[in-house]
Amino acid sequence: TQLLEQSPQFLSIQEGENLTVYCNSSSVFSSLQWYRQEPGEGPVLLVTVVTGGEVKKLKRLTFQFGDARKDSSLHITAAQPGDTGLYLCAGPIYNFNKFYFGSGTKLNVKP
Amino acid sequence: GAVVSQHPSRVICKSGTSVKIECRSLDFQATTMFWYRQFPKQSLMLMATSNEGSKATYEQGVEKDKFLINHASLTLSTLTVTSAHPEDSSFYICSARGWDSGANVLTFGAGSRLTVL
Repeated sequence: TQLLEQSPQFLSIQEGENLTVYCNSSSVFSSLQWYRQEPGEGPVLLVTVVTGGEVKKLKRLTFQFGDARKDSSLHITAAQPGDTGLYLCAGPIYNFNKFYFGSGTKLNVKP
Repeated sequence: GAVVSQHPSRVICKSGTSVKIECRSLDFQATTMFWYRQFPKQSLMLMATSNEGSKATYEQGVEKDKFLINHASLTLSTLTVTSAHPEDSSFYICSARGWDSGANVLTFGAGSRLTVL
């Protein structure tokens, strides 16, 4: 069983559309991170959310941390082909000795 | 920002040989590093936690004799895949724990693609 469940698993959309990716858990996290990974490369950190209810914006990307710190969402406005990649949520547990990753969302933005 | 260098990026070896992958923190000290394995189109699977100066902690189902981890210094962790077989072919990624926005985060290496013939 995945500690962090992401949905959807796959998303193929046209350039200019909006989308939302969800990351859910039954566990409380002290923080959650979102990463983007391109083929053949390591994941790159996009954002960290720490406070319940927190909203962070990174250009066209909006990240939200649930009030109970069990879930998070990533919303992309006017998606572009450059947004294509694997999006991963992750969080530390066990006193920060481990980081677990969500199941991932593979996004493909078609021009 | 924090940079993690991983080498080699690609390696092809014959079945039965051993392969070593290095993971270095370039501008910071990393007492803890993590090794992940990733299958095509899947998320990252934690293999083990590498602790400087002590034994690595392996996840359930990961063979410690197959995947040897050494963390001899504050900037270097190595993963050695011993007696590699085709089923060990995968994308291996290391990471080091860092700090961002008041929280622990991970900085990743670029990954190593292992192909065992």
